Amino acid sequence: GAVVSQHPSRVICKSGTSVKIECRSLDFQATTMFWYRQFPKQSLMLMATSNEGSKATYEQGVEKDKFLINHASLTLSTLTVTSAHPEDSSFYICSASSYSGGGYNEQFFGPGTRLTVL
Amino acid sequence: QQPVQSPQAVILREGEDAVINCSSSKALYSVHWYRQKHGEAPVFLMILLKGGEQKGHEKISASFNEKKQQSSLYLTASQLSYSGTYFCGTEEGGGDDKIIFGKGTRLHILP
Repeated sequence: GAVVSQHPSRVICKSGTSVKIECRSLDFQATTMFWYRQFPKQSLMLMATSNEGSKATYEQGVEKDKFLINHASLTLSTLTVTSAHPEDSSFYICSASSYSGGGYNEQFFGPGTRLTVL
Repeated sequence: QQPVQSPQAVILREGEDAVINCSSSKALYSVHWYRQKHGEAPVFLMILLKGGEQKGHEKISASFNEKKQQSSLYLTASQLSYSGTYFCGTEEGGGDDKIIFGKGTRLHILP
């Protein structure tokens, strides 16, 4: 299957700083990438849909000025958590959509980034 | 709209069977099933696209009802490696590939 990487895998930062998370599709081009956050023992909550070369589409309740998404190329999307606060601590996971050849698009998930804001 | 998953949690002994359900109030484009181990990303199990479809293999299979509003995941003769949280993800169509995940079902297999 296709491989999606995320960097960093884990980050600890002070309150008020900004953190950038990268999501890369390593062996395929992804016109669409998705960003999720997951709190402990909870579901994956879709934050935004990122399309290459255009503005991201944010889900209701997600602050676009807080979570900046850039999808500069077909293999890279970045999520920047601006002025992070402890309540932003979470597991952030990206996924990239790729045509499976079976008549549908399959989503491949990155390994996730655990953000801890002190 | 978030799909409804049930049960929330299951504890089984190795070798026992489990069924996890996922339902929506409206017809879906597709249903995806994932398993997630603690601290890891979800791993794709299968996707169902057609009403009345059943797919998978002997041990792990899934069905999608005719109305495309309900899917079930069947785990047969469970193994210790099946432990984890199972999520169904649903697509409503519209061409954006957006998947909305249910709250998950925690499965714990005892030896």
